[in-house]
Amino acid sequence: EPEVTQTPSHQVTQMGQEVILRCVPISNHLYFYWYRQILGQKVEFLVSFYNNEISEKSEIFDDRFSVERPDGSNFTLKIRSTKLEDSAMYFCASSEGQGYTSPLHFGNGTRLTVT
Amino acid sequence: AQSVAQPEDQVNVAEGNPLTVKCTYSVSGNPYLFWYVQYPNRGLQFLLKYITGDNLVKGSYGFEAEFNKSQTSFHLKKPSALVSDSALYFCAVRGDNNNDMRFGAGTRLTVKP
Repeated sequence: EPEVTQTPSHQVTQMGQEVILRCVPISNHLYFYWYRQILGQKVEFLVSFYNNEISEKSEIFDDRFSVERPDGSNFTLKIRSTKLEDSAMYFCASSEGQGYTSPLHFGNGTRLTVT
Repeated sequence: AQSVAQPEDQVNVAEGNPLTVKCTYSVSGNPYLFWYVQYPNRGLQFLLKYITGDNLVKGSYGFEAEFNKSQTSFHLKKPSALVSDSALYFCAVRGDNNNDMRFGAGTRLTVKP
């Protein structure tokens, strides 16, 4: 069964540095998302992406965050000037077709630790 | 904006007993409701969804959920729990004017032998 893959599985960075989290969505999917989960609990929406542009974003997704689909297969989340509170598990997800009726397929996440 | 509430942080049941994990939602327009399960150190896995039609939907691993429009609820159920069902369960909702999916805070299900 096709999977969403995320790399790296764990990223450690110093406060103020930039990080890029990488994702390869399922190949025929059209909608892409980033979510984060802090302390293994609440799953928070960051951003959705369709047709090479952001569809929606949450208040968490401030101007330090950006997303890109540089080559038709990868989907990246960049965080500039990282803060301690950015430490979380970041999940990429994708869905096909009519986005609002389709379930999301999640990767296994990247654990970001900001020190 | 749409939102989901899972009133129980923790649900404990004995193996073989029925289980219920509760979820209520708020959305403008038609609700599209989902349940996901998360095992340790893994991403969320889709269990089942309600889009339209029968109020009782069946999903993976013997789980089912009942959509109740008047109570704005979408409770997850299973007739006979297994120890391997122990995990974190998330309810999620989309509205037909929104593409993003919003998740509840999660309910940790523990099934004891």
